[in-house]
Amino acid sequence: DARVTQTPRHKVTEMGQEVTMRCQPILGHNTVFWYRQTMMQGLELLAYFRNRAPLDDSGMPKDRFSAEMPDATLATLKIQPSEPRDSAVYFCASGLVSGNTEAFFGQGTRLTVV
Amino acid sequence: GESVGLHLPTLSVQEGDNSIINCAYSNSASDYFIWYKQESGKGPQFIIDIRSNMDKRQGQRVTVLLNKTVKHLSLQIAATQPGDSAVYFCAESSTASKLTFGTGTRLQVTL
Repeated sequence: DARVTQTPRHKVTEMGQEVTMRCQPILGHNTVFWYRQTMMQGLELLAYFRNRAPLDDSGMPKDRFSAEMPDATLATLKIQPSEPRDSAVYFCASGLVSGNTEAFFGQGTRLTVV
Repeated sequence: GESVGLHLPTLSVQEGDNSIINCAYSNSASDYFIWYKQESGKGPQFIIDIRSNMDKRQGQRVTVLLNKTVKHLSLQIAATQPGDSAVYFCAESSTASKLTFGTGTRLQVTL
């Protein structure tokens, strides 16, 4: 059963600490998205990659957020230093882009920064 | 100060009735549209998609209608069931671009 896997599912951390969220996209998918979901803003696109190259990270605060794909099976989203306003659910999604297809979402990482 | 969350429109439907959820999009260049369902504590789940060369597509109990003239998308759910209760999002993209989500509609199914 192919699925997008995100770890950890929940993370509580203190303000100022570094947070790393990981995502394993579905094998063979060449596009990976990072979304953030909050009550205030809904689902916001932070960044996305195609064939491991970053295509658009305009939704991401550059001073503290970074997204990478060290290899085709791993995408990471890092926040350093974390702030209380970063508290949200972070979703990773993967898909195949050849004439557009749907993105498959992971279960999300619920981040709480205290 | 008081924080204000997104006010999600809510559609309340009786079990067995049909549901219609609407979505307006803004980008006239968008050529691919998806409906997602999100249950509490889970990630969005694909329901049905439609490309801009079509105006209607049917799945199992669901139909998506696309009106490109007024940039409007709708999701129809036939014989709504309690398990259909969730937040529904429309999403749009244009070729080789990012998938952008709407704010969502909460569907409540009453018995």
